Amino acid sequence: DTEVTQTPKHLVMGMTNKKSLKCEQHMGHRAMYWYKQKAKKPPELMFVYSYEKLSINESVPSRFSPECPNSSLLNLHLHALQPEDSALYLCASSQDGRGGSEEKLFFGSGTQLSVL
Amino acid sequence: TQLLEQSPQFLSIQEGENLTVYCNSSSVFSSLQWYRQEPGEGPVLLVTVVTGGEVKKLKRLTFQFGDARKDSSLHITAAQPGDTGLYLCAGAGNYQLIWGAGTKLIIKP
Repeated sequence: DTEVTQTPKHLVMGMTNKKSLKCEQHMGHRAMYWYKQKAKKPPELMFVYSYEKLSINESVPSRFSPECPNSSLLNLHLHALQPEDSALYLCASSQDGRGGSEEKLFFGSGTQLSVL
Repeated sequence: TQLLEQSPQFLSIQEGENLTVYCNSSSVFSSLQWYRQEPGEGPVLLVTVVTGGEVKKLKRLTFQFGDARKDSSLHITAAQPGDTGLYLCAGAGNYQLIWGAGTKLIIKP
């Protein structure tokens, strides 16, 4: 199984809503990532978990709250988002997140988020 | 700061033509990856190049890593409509991937 599964595929939420994005992988990877991608732009790194510990937080606003319950699951909790947060949110996993020339990212299909 | 400049940003050509996408930097990367992304999907890794001067082939796609490991190119021969997508290069940085801006490629039948 080389898949990273993300749910939901689409999400529309108001600025006062609380929602969560979910991500799951069963490749035995120990690093999981959240990226944000605007249309026709490259992915922007938000958070990295390595061995279930938050290792990178790229100065993301606190209205985005990541959670890694175990090595296979990654959540992104959303609260009080702004319309400019509308984007494709991608989850990815890799062997261990320690970088290195051969580390490969496996991406999910993403959650297309619209904030009204 | 490590940066990757990708060109062209947009390319629309007829089926059967050849094309090359470039990824350039003033920094040295230990490796460089190429991804293809289709609308509504996540990027899919095509290839990783590691050694300076390395050439890798994936059917009609040829990837090259520059001798100094500062640049890379993707050449597609006899492009087909199925090659349409966003092509992204990404270099292995200190602790994360450094992404190029992407090349939106459209192959018209």
